Amino acid sequence: AQSVTQPDARVTVSEGASLQLRCKYSYSATPYLFWYVQYPRQGLQLLLKYYSGDPVVQGVNGFEAEFSKSNSSFHLRKASVHWSDSAVYFCAVSNTGNYKYVFGAGTRLKVIA
Amino acid sequence: EAAVTQSPRSKVAVTGGKVTLSCHQTNNHDYMYWYRQDTGHGLRLIHYSYVADSTEKGDIPDGYKASRPSQENFSLILELASLSQTAVYFCASSGGTVSDYTFGSGTRLLVI
Repeated sequence: AQSVTQPDARVTVSEGASLQLRCKYSYSATPYLFWYVQYPRQGLQLLLKYYSGDPVVQGVNGFEAEFSKSNSSFHLRKASVHWSDSAVYFCAVSNTGNYKYVFGAGTRLKVIA
Repeated sequence: EAAVTQSPRSKVAVTGGKVTLSCHQTNNHDYMYWYRQDTGHGLRLIHYSYVADSTEKGDIPDGYKASRPSQENFSLILELASLSQTAVYFCASSGGTVSDYTFGSGTRLLVI
């Protein structure tokens, strides 16, 4: 069965610092991989997605993620965080062409001054 | 602007009572979904539908029913609400793959 693990429930970083949020997945084939962000009292918004090709994918607002097949990982990165990046970040996986996701538990990011 | 709208935004329900959560989409999508979010568990699929008047079980359907009376509307029904159903519920729509999901803002349900 597919599963997604986000080992860090909470992460606190200083504004302007770099960020890495970790995501590990378990799947027998190469899945589709996604990062979503949830701002307070809002729905989930897609940050970026990986289907194939270049393992580093660019997303919105300066976010990027790197797929590693050998490590079964899809870590999210940002070079310099802003206070407005404070939110909950979800990693998700889907079977190719499938209609549904399997989500990780989420990582709550707090950016402090 | 295409969107997914959920109502109510929050609700307090009594144990054993009936609860109906509503979802409306203007994306012209065939698929609609209900997910449940619990702290520490991410989102889990309860029910989904790919055509009006038909619903399918997701990964955690027990204790929930769903209704899709039209392409635009999808409801989640808790016939006998229980404390364990306290959670945030998200509705979403898509064209049939994960590439075009749109999520609603969520309904926060507290069962007391």
